[in-house]
Amino acid sequence: DVKVTQSSRYLVKRTGEKVFLECVQDMDHENMFWYRQDPGLGLRLIYFSYDVKMKEKGDIPEGYSVSREKKERFSLILESASTNQTSMYLCASSWDRGGQYFGPGTRLTVT
Amino acid sequence: AQRVTQPEKLLSVFKGAPVELKCNYSYSGSPELFWYVQYSRQRLQLLLRHISRESIKGFTADLNKGETSFHLKKPFAQEEDSAMYYCAFRGGTSYGKLTFGQGTILTVHP
Repeated sequence: DVKVTQSSRYLVKRTGEKVFLECVQDMDHENMFWYRQDPGLGLRLIYFSYDVKMKEKGDIPEGYSVSREKKERFSLILESASTNQTSMYLCASSWDRGGQYFGPGTRLTVT
Repeated sequence: AQRVTQPEKLLSVFKGAPVELKCNYSYSGSPELFWYVQYSRQRLQLLLRHISRESIKGFTADLNKGETSFHLKKPFAQEEDSAMYYCAFRGGTSYGKLTFGQGTILTVHP
């Protein structure tokens, strides 16, 4: 069974803080993704990575960066958290074909 | 541009009634299409994909290339089907990237 885990289920941070969200997958997938999920807006892709140290911007990369130093781990970084980054963050992984497998999500609140 | 449209944000039916969640895509080639489901407090999970042509939890979806649609259907809805449903699409891009629709919240009333 594919397992995608995220470091925290709930996180509360203050405006201006640097925030790290971590994702780990155990299926040796080449590709990993970070989305944010907001009511009425669906899933929006922030960044994705197709190999170690390789990354590409998604639809809403502003205010975010990512890091992939190992194949199984993909980190999302909020350099300076803002209240409009309060959201549910979902990590996923996949091969080039077939579906994506999602983590449980991290609900981030920025106050 | 590749796009997936789910025209209904909310859909309500009664238990035992048929249900159809609509999904349309814009792409001229051969797409890969998926339906994902998210039950309350659970992770997003793959429900079915067009290439496998299977029925999962009584749901089916047929790819209609002429109408560029991939509607999700179930003949008799159950209360446990209440969830958020996303249609997702891949149109020839590499790296496994998917484009998701905005989602439909299905509520099945007793």
